Amino acid sequence: SAVISQKPSRDICQRGTSLTIQCQVDSQVTMMFWYRQQPGQSLTLIATANQGSEATYESGFVIDKFPISRPNLTFSTLTVSNMSPEDSSIYLCSVKGVPETSSGNTIYFGEGSWLTVV
Amino acid sequence: AQKITQTQPGMFVQEKEAVTLDCTYDTSDPSYGLFWYKQPSSGEMIFLIYQGSYDQQNATEGRYSLNFQKARKSANLVISASQLGDSAMYFCAMREDWAGNMLTFGGGTRLMVKP
Repeated sequence: SAVISQKPSRDICQRGTSLTIQCQVDSQVTMMFWYRQQPGQSLTLIATANQGSEATYESGFVIDKFPISRPNLTFSTLTVSNMSPEDSSIYLCSVKGVPETSSGNTIYFGEGSWLTVV
Repeated sequence: AQKITQTQPGMFVQEKEAVTLDCTYDTSDPSYGLFWYKQPSSGEMIFLIYQGSYDQQNATEGRYSLNFQKARKSANLVISASQLGDSAMYFCAMREDWAGNMLTFGGGTRLMVKP
């Protein structure tokens, strides 16, 4: 299985500021994703982080609000820009297992970054 | 229409007993995968079990098994011999081949194990 590390694990942020979340994987993976989980809700996909090209955003999410970088096959960042209390959520990085291994069909998640905007 | 439905918002189970968490799904894609995740209060999402749409046998992983009924479009999670540490939120999710590798999640079931 893939080991995924996210930073920060928790943060309290001021309204109007921006915060960048990092996701580091212990192996090279093709597919990386960013999800949001608002309080008491299920997970919603924000975007697919593409290595070497712009991220692919889902409906309701835009690059200006959630810029994503993917400089290589083991690392990605998600920035939450100009934060408001509605952005208070858990943000989770996710990767797909390596196809050639037994975990090829599995999708793994990081520990999550719990953001509270005040 | 909801793609993944978990009808049990909360459930109690006695320690050491088995419990079934329900999940039904909706897709017209013949190739798809079904996942179950556990989310403790810390917020991390822990992968439990995977079932592919073409898998002939029900998936099992230790105390977890997936009761896959394809015709009924259900993928219930069975936890045998419940432990206090099993208390958490449980999410059912689906990946459809046409949609790439994104997951669609159900609303979750909160399981509480009683000592």
